[in-house]
Order: sequence, then structure tokens, then C-alpha cells
Amino acid sequence: EPEVTQTPSHQVTQMGQEVILRCVPISNHLYFYWYRQILGQKVEFLVSFYNNEISEKSEIFDDQFSVERPDGSNFTLKIRSTKLEDSAMYFCASKNRHNSPLHFGNGTRLTVT
Amino acid sequence: DAKTTQPTSMDCAEGRAANLPCNHSTISGNEYVYWYRQIHSQGPQYIIHGLKNNETNEMASLIITEDRKSSTLILPHATLRDTAVYYCIVLDYGGSQGNLIFGKGTKLSVKP
Repeated sequence: EPEVTQTPSHQVTQMGQEVILRCVPISNHLYFYWYRQILGQKVEFLVSFYNNEISEKSEIFDDQFSVERPDGSNFTLKIRSTKLEDSAMYFCASKNRHNSPLHFGNGTRLTVT
Repeated sequence: DAKTTQPTSMDCAEGRAANLPCNHSTISGNEYVYWYRQIHSQGPQYIIHGLKNNETNEMASLIITEDRKSSTLILPHATLRDTAVYYCIVLDYGGSQGNLIFGKGTKLSVKP
């Protein structure tokens, strides 16, 4: 069964550094998402992306965050200057139609020290 | 904010049916009921969804009451690997990109 793939599984970075989290959505999918989950808390929506532009974003997704689909297969989340509070699991998700279920990857654990 | 209410936790004996309830008393006519689960910090896993009718797939059954104000997810023969947090989410595709809003879910513990 096709899967959403995320790399790396764990990323450690120092405060203030830029980090890029990578995702390969399922190949025929057209809608892409990032969610995050701080340890012990709820899964939170960050941003949705369709037709090469952001469709919707949450309050969390401020100017420090950006997303990109640099080629036909990858979908990336960049955090420009990481803060301690950015430490979380980051989940990428995708779906092929507007009213299809979302399929999630297994996440990247980001640790900011 | 999540528009559903679920028990914080439930236990189930291995091999028995797990029945997970969800209240969504303010659900509108266009909103679907979705169920996901999350096994120990893995990514959320889609289980099943429905609008009005009961649904069944290889993982579970979804029973939606006639007034659509509540639903029950049924795992017919729970195994230890079904231990997870189960999320009930209502979703209207009409006004959004279908962004799932997760609540706290129900922590299901399947015991031997």
C-alpha cells in the first residue's frame, strides 16, 4: 500500500538554526498538509497546500514557517529560525481528492536545543 | 475547537469487541464523521468515515445514529495492537480544504 514518507525520522538542531523537514506524499495525491504534535498534546493543523499554493494556514504557521513543493514528488516544511518551543513531532499528510481521507506519514521528531 | 466529545479512556479485553462512542450533537447536514487512531506517536491512521449510513471496512464498523448526533466505532475483535488513541472528527468539505481538527481522543487499552 502506498505510504507518505518523511525524512529524517529525528532531527536535532540548535536554537536559531534553519531546518527543513522533507516529505514524499503518495504519488497521485494533490493535496498536502503539515501537522505538528508537541509531546503529550493534541495533533495541530499547520498548513494545507494545493495547486502550488497555500490553501489555509493556522495561527501557528507564522512568518518563520514556509512550505514548498520543489519538484513533482517532494513537499517540504522550512522553519527559518528555530525556537525551543518548535520541538515537536511534525506530520506530513496527503490526499488525492478534496473529499478523500487524509493519509499521514510517521513524522519527523524535531528537537531544538 | 473539536466538535466532538469522547471518553478520555477505555479498556477492552483482547478478542472482544471494542465499542468507542462519540458525541457530535451539533453536527450539520454536510459534515462527515471520521475516525483516526494514533499508535504511540506514530502518524494518525485513517480508519473509517461516514455521513449518514453505517459503514464497514476491513478495520472497523461505524454506526451513526439516525439523528446523527452520535456514533460508535466498533473494532470487532480487538488485539493488543489496537491499543491506541482513537479520534472522532467531524468534517465539512464545503467551506474548507478538509483540514482535520483533532481533539484529545479516547485512549483505548486492549488487555490480555
